[in-house]
Amino acid sequence: GENVEQHPSTLSVQEGDSAVIKCTYSDSASNYFPWYKQELGKRPQLIIDIRSNVGEKKDQRIAVTLNKTAKHFSLHITETQPEDSAVYFCAARGYNFNKFYFGSGTKLNVKP
Amino acid sequence: EAGVAQSPRYKIIEKRQSVAFWCNPISGHATLYWYQQILGQGPKLLIQFQNNGVVDDSQLPKDRFSAERLKGVDSTLKIQPAKLEDSAVYLCASSGSAPGLAYEQYFGPGTRLTVT
Repeated sequence: GENVEQHPSTLSVQEGDSAVIKCTYSDSASNYFPWYKQELGKRPQLIIDIRSNVGEKKDQRIAVTLNKTAKHFSLHITETQPEDSAVYFCAARGYNFNKFYFGSGTKLNVKP
Repeated sequence: EAGVAQSPRYKIIEKRQSVAFWCNPISGHATLYWYQQILGQGPKLLIQFQNNGVVDDSQLPKDRFSAERLKGVDSTLKIQPAKLEDSAVYLCASSGSAPGLAYEQYFGPGTRLTVT
């Protein structure tokens, strides 16, 4: 099955700096890669996603890049704000049966 | 569009007791997932339904956990008997299955289970 690895496990940045979180996957047939933000005690919320036929997608301060050849994808947050502090999870959707495989999470701390 | 509903939101039980969780997915979503999320970890898939059929239950501890989705809509997850290590948040999620809608997965608020 698919295996998703996520780095770093914790990330601390100063407000206004950029943050980058990286994930790798093992199954070249995976075709959809969402990113979730989870605040303490709340449900994971989909913040951005990318399909395998696209290399980059941007939504305001958030962007995701996908390198299918290297089988890795990254989340980029620019101009970070304290409210960006949360745990971020990447995931990869397998080709069959809509199954999602999650990374282990990155705890982002944005210092004011 | 209404979101994924779950109940109860919190549950505290003693070990060896039984507990059941309920989930109602987004209307029209054929795929329903149950995840276990232990504090500090990512969601771990327990079972996945496509309509009322099981797609994957390879990580469901079948000696104590069971789940059903009899009419292809809402679902229940049961633990009997509970162990201390079952303390976690149980998340239900759903996604569509029509072409072009088969991707996004939406989570419910979760049920926080504490086993004492």
